[in-house]
Amino acid sequence: DGGITQSPKYLFRKEGQNVTLSCEQNLNHDAMYWYRQDPGQGLRLIYYSQIVNDFQKGDIAEGYSVSREKKESFPLTVTSAQKNPTAFYLCASTTTGLGNTIYFGEGSWLTVV
Amino acid sequence: QQQVKQSPQSLIVQKGGISIINCAYENTAFDYFPWYQQFPGKGPALLIAIRPDVSEKKEGRFTISFNKSAKQFSLHIMDSQPGDSATYFCAAALKTGNQFYFGTGTSLTVIP
Repeated sequence: DGGITQSPKYLFRKEGQNVTLSCEQNLNHDAMYWYRQDPGQGLRLIYYSQIVNDFQKGDIAEGYSVSREKKESFPLTVTSAQKNPTAFYLCASTTTGLGNTIYFGEGSWLTVV
Repeated sequence: QQQVKQSPQSLIVQKGGISIINCAYENTAFDYFPWYQQFPGKGPALLIAIRPDVSEKKEGRFTISFNKSAKQFSLHIMDSQPGDSATYFCAAALKTGNQFYFGTGTSLTVIP
C-alpha cells in the first residue's frame, strides 16, 4: 500500500542525546515536511524539502536537522540543542503543483527522560 | 502571525446536531483549502477540500462553505456522531510552491 511510514512510533531519549526519526514515503511525492505537535496544539513546521538535496527551515527549526538524500526519505534529527523536544512529530508529503493535498504519516512520540 | 485563524478552539455537540467550525484567512493568493480530521495519537487525514471557484462542497455529512469576499470558510458536520469526536484542522495552500498553513485546530466532542 502507498503511504508514509514513520518510525519509531514511540521513542524515549535521555537529555543530551541526539535522536533520529525516520520518514519514508512510497507515493513518489516531491515535497516532504516535518511538523511538531504539542498536546492540544496546532501543527508547527520544522523543516521542509521540495527536492532531493535541498531543504528549508520552517518556523521552529532551531535544535533540529534534516537531510534529503533520496526522494522517498526525509529523516529528522532532534539534537541536544533542542530545549524542549518532548512532542508528537508528524512527517508529511505532497506532489508539487496546484491544489495538491498534503498527506501525513502516523506520527512519532518522542519523550525526553 | 497566524495565516489561518480557526475557531472555536473546542466544541461540544449533541448526537444528531450540527457541528460548525470556522476559519478565516487574509492572503488572497491561497488557492486550496483542505480540512483534516485527527484522532488522538494518529496523523491528520484529509476530510474534504475546496477551491475558491466554488462556494460549497458536500461529501456525505461533511460540507465546506466558502465565502471568497469575506475570506472565510467553514466546515459543517451534519447529524454529528460520537465517532466524529476528533480534532479538526483547516488549512490553506498557496498557488505556487507547496506551502501549507494550518489553523490551530478545533477539538470536537459529540455526546450521545
